[in-house]
Amino acid sequence: GAGVSQSPRYKVAKRGQDVALRCDPISGHVSLFWYQQALGQGPEFLTYFQNEAQLDKSGLPSDRFFAERPEGSVSTLKIQRTQQEDSAVYLCASSLASREIQFFGPGTRLTVL
Amino acid sequence: AQKITQTQPGMFVQEKEAVTLDCTYDTSDPSYGLFWYKQPSSGEMIFLIYQGSYDQQNATEGRYSLNFQKARKSANLVISASQLGDSAMYFCAMRGRIQGAQKLVFGQGTRLTINP
Repeated sequence: GAGVSQSPRYKVAKRGQDVALRCDPISGHVSLFWYQQALGQGPEFLTYFQNEAQLDKSGLPSDRFFAERPEGSVSTLKIQRTQQEDSAVYLCASSLASREIQFFGPGTRLTVL
Repeated sequence: AQKITQTQPGMFVQEKEAVTLDCTYDTSDPSYGLFWYKQPSSGEMIFLIYQGSYDQQNATEGRYSLNFQKARKSANLVISASQLGDSAMYFCAMRGRIQGAQKLVFGQGTRLTINP
């Protein structure tokens, strides 16, 4: 596709459930980023991949959060045992290289009940 | 650490007027990049404009220009001849060259409403 795509667009989970959020970056983009955006706030960095290597995971809020990009293309952000405070929009972005412009997907809105 | 401050939670402007959205930043990196993104109600972050800290001229992209004042650490976005479709959230962001070299640090955003 022409842009970054994310699925699902909306996810409702019961507290304690595991969820998996998918990101398809722009074809050929080496770098991939995940951000978390709470209601009324700016996005906050979670983690960064260059190809399949996770080079920075300093923003992951707890060990319940896990991200992977096994073949250097599609990435999955997994949240285990979801909590209400995990409710947010999860944005994925990709760039041609690490210092290039980051292009964002439409986000996945996660609601934990 | 890097920090972005956007002091205007909301702005209301008449259609066709120019509008300036404020952004100040703080960083110890000698080299950095500044970005503006637009986020309409659909949720996608749309890249608008980029300014490098060593760029000699202020960046411009169509109706968007960035008023970069390095000594004051400000990077205000100017939208000329505003249109109804400009109504959205606007985020200022920065990326350092050394600290957290790849990630973007965002401000709180400004909600811009264009009135007909």
